Amino acid sequence: DAMVIQNPRYQVTQFGKPVTLSCSQTLNHNVMYWYQQKSSQAPKLLFHYYDKDFNNEADTPDNFQSRRPNTSFCFLDIRSPGLGDAAMYLCATSRDLAGPWTQYFGPGTRLLVL
Amino acid sequence: GIQVEQSPPDLILQEGANSTLRCNFSDSVNNLQWFHQNPWGQLINLFYIPSGTKQNGRLSATTVATERYSLLYISSSQTTDSGVYFCAVANGANSKLTFGKGITLSVRP
Repeated sequence: DAMVIQNPRYQVTQFGKPVTLSCSQTLNHNVMYWYQQKSSQAPKLLFHYYDKDFNNEADTPDNFQSRRPNTSFCFLDIRSPGLGDAAMYLCATSRDLAGPWTQYFGPGTRLLVL
Repeated sequence: GIQVEQSPPDLILQEGANSTLRCNFSDSVNNLQWFHQNPWGQLINLFYIPSGTKQNGRLSATTVATERYSLLYISSSQTTDSGVYFCAVANGANSKLTFGKGITLSVRP
């Protein structure tokens, strides 16, 4: 089945130690998104890629970076995780930015910072 | 930016009951989606419904774009319906989804 896959499902890291979360998709969608979701809150968009074009949200901290080496894969790099970065990180895809598109979410990676 | 309000914030139902979840938005939209987030955190797309009415099994949704609201109906609720329901919208000026704060639904056996 076509889907959005995130690995790992749970990630534990140490304060200040770089961590990378991964997302892959078999939907062949043009757009890939990264969201951060903290407990009892709505998902917050960090950035998205339209093909290779990177679009950062204005309030996304510099500590968060992303890479999309090809259509299928997208990575979220947290350079120096702080305790406040503990959250669920959700990857999503959509066919396009314009038109009647829907977003499809992966299962998420829950990040714990010690 | 566009504002999205969902109500009620919390809902407790007995299994088998029906419910209506509401989403109000502050501006015209060209995209509106309902999502269900299960207790494990997975967000599932339920409906893409910027206008009109759709049905999928026990779930249906109606968006009245001119009055800037959408309703999600759950009939004969089951315990597996528990979780958080998000409404998310986008308008022509901005392709990004704006999420409401969600409605937490608990269905008790």
